[in-house]
Amino acid sequence: EAGVAQSPRYKIIEKRQSVAFWCNPISGHATLYWYQQILGQGPKLLIQFQNNGVVDDSQLPKDRFSAERLKGVDSTLKIQPAKLEDSAVYLCASSRGGLRDRGLSEAFFGQGTRLTVV
Amino acid sequence: QKEVEQDPGPLSVPEGAIVSLNCTYSNSAFQYFMWYRQYSRKGPELLMYTYSSGNKEDGRFTAQVDKSSKYISLFIRDSQPSDSATYLCAMNRIQGAQKLVFGQGTRLTINP
Repeated sequence: EAGVAQSPRYKIIEKRQSVAFWCNPISGHATLYWYQQILGQGPKLLIQFQNNGVVDDSQLPKDRFSAERLKGVDSTLKIQPAKLEDSAVYLCASSRGGLRDRGLSEAFFGQGTRLTVV
Repeated sequence: QKEVEQDPGPLSVPEGAIVSLNCTYSNSAFQYFMWYRQYSRKGPELLMYTYSSGNKEDGRFTAQVDKSSKYISLFIRDSQPSDSATYLCAMNRIQGAQKLVFGQGTRLTINP
């Protein structure tokens, strides 16, 4: 089974520029997550999709961040304009289960995109 | 106050030692308690999970949850250099959104 694919692996941009990250989840996984992991910290959930609907985006800075999941499969996360404090690793994860499932639905993570804003 | 607190370390121990990693939390709604391992420049991978209170053992790893104290632990026996990584605790509620709340992570080094 192929894992969660993310691209690019690394990105360096200047502040105020825009950037986009792409994620291809594991086939058949209903739920997709974007996390932000700042150096030395644990991942923080930015947005969660179930199929192509948003479940939770309470911690997404909506003035500059946007995300979409077209056709309930691939997803893109965009930052426009970027700030220095957006420097972090952006992790995409997916899980098979959905909101109505009982029990734990394991989340599988991609390798992440390391963003540096200069 | 953060929902999940974890000592960031770093923690350095000799090979073969028993390692104890811990997290505390404040949200009593958490029911699933997980430990993720993250190697450098990799995404986190699920190591173990426990539902509600109790112990769970998997090979050299033991996870403990004490809901009365809001305290969870991960023990690693006979530690190996390959165990060197950052260990993240994570939690979520039993139902509803599968939102994971992570601790800060503890960076662990096992010295040969």
